[in-house]
Amino acid sequence: DVKVTQSSRYLVKRTGEKVFLECVQDMDHENMFWYRQDPGLGLRLIYFSYDVKMKEKGDIPEGYSVSREKKERFSLILESASTNQTSMYLCASSSIQGVKLREQYFGPGTRLTVT
Amino acid sequence: RKEVEQDPGPFNVPEGATVAFNCTYSNSASQSFFWYRQDCRKEPKLLMSVYSSGNEDGRFTAQLNRASQYISLLIRDSKLSDSATYLCVVTFYGGSQGNLIFGKGTKLSVKP
Repeated sequence: DVKVTQSSRYLVKRTGEKVFLECVQDMDHENMFWYRQDPGLGLRLIYFSYDVKMKEKGDIPEGYSVSREKKERFSLILESASTNQTSMYLCASSSIQGVKLREQYFGPGTRLTVT
Repeated sequence: RKEVEQDPGPFNVPEGATVAFNCTYSNSASQSFFWYRQDCRKEPKLLMSVYSSGNEDGRFTAQLNRASQYISLLIRDSKLSDSATYLCVVTFYGGSQGNLIFGKGTKLSVKP
């Protein structure tokens, strides 16, 4: 079974703090993704990575950065947390078949509250 | 802009009912299609892929209509445990590998 783990299920941080969210997958997947999910807005892609040290912006990258130093690990960084970054953060990974993205597997999510 | 649209629901149905969801997509160069299920406060989980010829998994049937650019999910004999939000996912060919879009989901509530 594919396993995607995230470092924390719940996190409470103060405005202005630097926040690290870690994601690890054990299936040697090329692609990893960070999303946030808010009521009524669905899943929104923040960043994704298709290889080690490679990253691309998603739909809402502002206020976030990412790091992928090893294939199995993809980190999301909030440089200076703000209250509008309170959300559920979901990490996902997937493999590719030729040029086709295969299905994604999600971690359990981190519910971040910024006060 | 590439869009994936779903009826948000909620669909409230009695146990044993048959319920169908549709999902429309805007880009004709779409490659792969999936249905995910998301329980309240949990992560999305793959329910099934959608193949061109249609496919079935127990009580669930998925179909693809490329001409009209939609995919559908049919659930027969609904169970209480089917209550969840169902998300459709479409991937698009070319460009970056971030060409994957989730619909906002359709909420299903199965009542006794």
